[in-house]
Amino acid sequence: EVQLVETGGGLIQPGGSLRLSCAASGFTVRSDYMSWVRQAPGKGLEWVSVIYDDGATYYADSVRGRFTISRDNSKNTVYLQMTSVRAEDTAVYYCARLLNGDWGQGTLVIVSS
Amino acid sequence: DIQLTQSPSSLSASVGDRVTITCQASQDITNYLNWYQQKAGKAPKLLIYDASKLDTGVPSRFSGSGSGTHFTFTISSLQPEDIATYYCQQYDIQFTFGPGTKVEIK
Repeated sequence: EVQLVETGGGLIQPGGSLRLSCAASGFTVRSDYMSWVRQAPGKGLEWVSVIYDDGATYYADSVRGRFTISRDNSKNTVYLQMTSVRAEDTAVYYCARLLNGDWGQGTLVIVSS
Repeated sequence: DIQLTQSPSSLSASVGDRVTITCQASQDITNYLNWYQQKAGKAPKLLIYDASKLDTGVPSRFSGSGSGTHFTFTISSLQPEDIATYYCQQYDIQFTFGPGTKVEIK
């Protein structure tokens, strides 16, 4: 059974950094396309970033240069390093396999002073 | 970047009604389109992939069609449990979500 479990969310001050983790089971992250998707309170879904099986990474314009996606194949885990965070980064962050329809439960990030 | 537009942004229909949502892509995405259902407080659930294929276990009242830039999602007979927001999502070039359509019961 496929499972995605996100951790690492919390309250962070503007300009700060935070790393989200997504522990996967039931498949290997190095063989798949792993994405982060976020949803601000009361808003729609926004794709944030993807890491492909070949290691290529892509980002939404809103986070490029501030967020970095990576993976640890030995831990079967995907990460999202968030830096220089802004109030508009406040959202539930989901880890997802968008080609298969598998999503985690999400982790809430609140950017506030 | 590929942009997706959805219409309507919200709708209210009666139980048993046929409901149709459209999704327009800013460029040809062939059939690389998913439809998701998201209920309040929950992660999205995949309903339709490759524009028209029903995901496993999804009721047959849900369907999708289209290719290129114009896509349609239909609920043939709206049920109370279908109250949710529906999103289209392309996967031709990276990923993009449409803005969503909120479906309510009249």
